[in-house]
Amino acid sequence: DTAVSQTPKYLVTQMGNDKSIKCEQNLGHDTMYWYKQDSKKFLKIMFSYNNKELIINETVPNRFSPKSPDKAHLNLHINSLELGDSAVYFCASSQGINQPQHFGDGTRLSIL
Amino acid sequence: KQEVTQIPAALSVPEGENLVLNCSFTDSAIYNLQWFRQDPGKGLTSLLLIQSSQREQTSGRLNASLDKSSGRSTLYIAASQPGDSATYLCAVDNTDKLIFGTGTRLQVFP
Repeated sequence: DTAVSQTPKYLVTQMGNDKSIKCEQNLGHDTMYWYKQDSKKFLKIMFSYNNKELIINETVPNRFSPKSPDKAHLNLHINSLELGDSAVYFCASSQGINQPQHFGDGTRLSIL
Repeated sequence: KQEVTQIPAALSVPEGENLVLNCSFTDSAIYNLQWFRQDPGKGLTSLLLIQSSQREQTSGRLNASLDKSSGRSTLYIAASQPGDSATYLCAVDNTDKLIFGTGTRLQVFP
């Protein structure tokens, strides 16, 4: 009965690879988000989607491409991974914009 | 540009103490402010949300206040317990996104 679930929980890969992180929410929410938490624990929004449409793109490199096949899913694909991409990535969802956000447990990405 | 600051960065208290965590923000034009808890290796759990029109919200031993005009919020934890040990984050809902503070790492020792 997990509300917001992300897979995988851990991802270790080499520089230059392409990887995807999946996110699913079963709360019936319309809005989903991706956040990045860096090594200093600072959380910053990357993207948000409302009803499958992109509404926020916070100057994230175009190597990062979110995809929302339906309202319950927002996946994050990353091309040509770089060392600086190492971080914890959190997915979140909310009923709508300006509504309380519910977070997944995060995906810890480590680039070798 | 909205900036959110939390002080102190870390706090260590004995069990049973009442404590206050502080959050300040530079742009008072906010929709709401949320307080989250983050346990090591875990996601964020929403504790309290205060709408911009509200002054405070309470949930159990937690009380959050909001003073929009001065750009401040406080999270009051009464009778702290070791299980309260975590990082506490405040986040300001500015237009259509959350802007997070850097968090306060709280340790409550028995």
